[in-house]
Amino acid sequence: AQSVTQPDIHITVSEGASLELRCNYSYGATPYLFWYVQSPGQGLQLLLKYFSGDTLVQGIKGFEAEFKRSQSSFNLRKPSVHWSDAAEYFCAVGDPTSGNTPLVFGKGTRLSVIA
Amino acid sequence: NAGVTQTPKFQVLKTGQSMTLQCAQDMNHEYMSWYRQDPGMGLRLIHYSVGAGITDQGEVPNGYNVSRSTTEDFPLRLLSAAPSQTSVYFCASRRAISGEGYTFGSGTRLTVV
Repeated sequence: AQSVTQPDIHITVSEGASLELRCNYSYGATPYLFWYVQSPGQGLQLLLKYFSGDTLVQGIKGFEAEFKRSQSSFNLRKPSVHWSDAAEYFCAVGDPTSGNTPLVFGKGTRLSVIA
Repeated sequence: NAGVTQTPKFQVLKTGQSMTLQCAQDMNHEYMSWYRQDPGMGLRLIHYSVGAGITDQGEVPNGYNVSRSTTEDFPLRLLSAAPSQTSVYFCASRRAISGEGYTFGSGTRLTVV
């Protein structure tokens, strides 16, 4: 069964600084990979997803993520963080062999942005 | 607006009471699921459905029942609420195509006292 690890529970960055949130997965082959963002009091919104092909994927709000098969990682990056990026971020994996299998989510990383 | 609608947004229950959390989507998505979110635990799957009349258990199904009589609706029933069920509940849906991402509702914050 697939699993997801987000090693960082909480990260604080300064506004304008770069950001990298880590995600490692466990799966026998290449899974489908997702990043979601949850603003306080809100539901989750899809930032980006990786299926195949180019290992660097672009998402909304200026985010990107890079799939590294050798490291079983799918880290989320942003070159310059804005105060509005403060939120909780979830990495998720999906089974590419079945449309009926639930996504598995990591436990999330909470991002704080300071002036 | 198309999307996933959850009601109510907030609810306080007494231990032993029952209630139903409602979830409706208007995107004709085959797949629907219920998650609970607790601090430090991330999202844990309660139940899911791959189509009308078909449901299955997730990681934490105890104390919850579901049914899927229509494509649009996927209610979650708490039969006898317990304080351990205090949580934020999210409903999500997607097309039953491998690799599709979820559309989430805005959540129901439930407190059991």
